[in-house]
Amino acid sequence: DAGITQSPRHKVTETGTPVTLRCHQTENHRYMYWYRQDPGHGLRLIHYSYGVKDTDKGEVSDGYSVSRSKTEDFLLTLESATSSQTSVYFCAIMSGQASTDTQYFGPGTRLTVL
Amino acid sequence: GDSVTQMEGPVTLSEEAFLTINCTYTATGYPSLFWYVQYPGEGLQLLLKATKADDKGSNKGFEATYRKETTSFHLEKGSVQVSDSAVYFCALSDPSGGYQKVTFGTGTKLQVIP
Repeated sequence: DAGITQSPRHKVTETGTPVTLRCHQTENHRYMYWYRQDPGHGLRLIHYSYGVKDTDKGEVSDGYSVSRSKTEDFLLTLESATSSQTSVYFCAIMSGQASTDTQYFGPGTRLTVL
Repeated sequence: GDSVTQMEGPVTLSEEAFLTINCTYTATGYPSLFWYVQYPGEGLQLLLKATKADDKGSNKGFEATYRKETTSFHLEKGSVQVSDSAVYFCALSDPSGGYQKVTFGTGTKLQVIP
């Protein structure tokens, strides 16, 4: 258990509404990540952060933004949700030394966009 | 770029059968290799890892050996149980990727029947 929580755990929203998902960690890890999981695609990286206010895009970043104002919190925002963003979203942290770093995951948020 | 290829599922086995899930990879640097397991409705959990060639990762009866010559990291278990039913993901972490990048396979669903 790497002390990662996600909120909300489930959310149903309508197309065009803004949505913010929160990831919270308690162990002061530098690297944090947001992934989405869809059938047939495995996990795809949306955005990641390498420190407070330091973020960058992953492979599927269109339609998403992130913020990290504190070490412990990493927020993912869908500015205007679309049905294609219906997915399960996972937050992760990276723990360990450079050559043996290991990712640990939160429990996930299931988002449905109607 | 880095990539991970794992056998497609679902894999259906009888209890106490031998399990092999194949995983091969391509990487530009010297990656660490991982197997994660995901039970229904949960996040990914680290199952085992290996950080250099010829290392064997093991946990809960599962094993995988880092084979640099064949770029493989196949997951094995001698006798599966119903409780092993889950989705298994192979992954690599390549420190030369710059941002502690982790690349995942698409997952293999295992169903064990009594």
